[in-house]
Amino acid sequence: SAVISQKPSRDICQRGTSLTIQCQVDSQVTMMFWYRQQPGQSLTLIATANQGSEATYESGFVIDKFPISRPNLTFSTLTVSNMSPEDSSIYLCSSMKRKGFMNTEAFFGQGTRLTVV
Amino acid sequence: KNEVEQSPQNLTAQEGEFITINCSYSVGISALHWLQQHPGGGIVSLFMLSSGKKKHGRLIATINIQEKHSSLHITASHPRDSAVYICAVHSPRSNRDDKIIFGKGTRLHILP
Repeated sequence: SAVISQKPSRDICQRGTSLTIQCQVDSQVTMMFWYRQQPGQSLTLIATANQGSEATYESGFVIDKFPISRPNLTFSTLTVSNMSPEDSSIYLCSSMKRKGFMNTEAFFGQGTRLTVV
Repeated sequence: KNEVEQSPQNLTAQEGEFITINCSYSVGISALHWLQQHPGGGIVSLFMLSSGKKKHGRLIATINIQEKHSSLHITASHPRDSAVYICAVHSPRSNRDDKIIFGKGTRLHILP
């Protein structure tokens, strides 16, 4: 199994500023993902973080708003840029490790609760 | 219709009661996860299942692949079990990355 350390666990930020969330995995993983959970909603995929290349964003999410880095196979960051109160959510990273055909394990960070005031 | 449905959405019970939370899904999966989200937002992975049953302390998770259904049980519930419990399925996609689909969660409140 793998362990993901996500930081910060929570933050309160001023509108117009940016926050970078980090996820560190204790072993090399194939895929890393970033999710958002708006109040009262389920977790929704923002993007897939690809090592050495640009992230792949889901419909409704753009790189200018949520730039992602993945410099190596154990680390990724998500930045929430030019924040507004509507960005107040829980942000979660997860990773996957392929163990064989149709056999992939998933691991989850602890989540970051962001409040924008 | 959501691909992952949980029931009930909210559950209040007395301390000591046996709790069951259900998850039904409509996609093919390779695994199913149960997550616990604490009131502060922190998320803990409880189980990953691909078949059968797993037990950890007072928590039991079962899955029936044919019926596309999983249950999370809590025996001898305690106020510290109060949290949101989230079902997430691991859905393989041909020629693409696997996808994780989350349910909306079940908010559990255990009264002392």
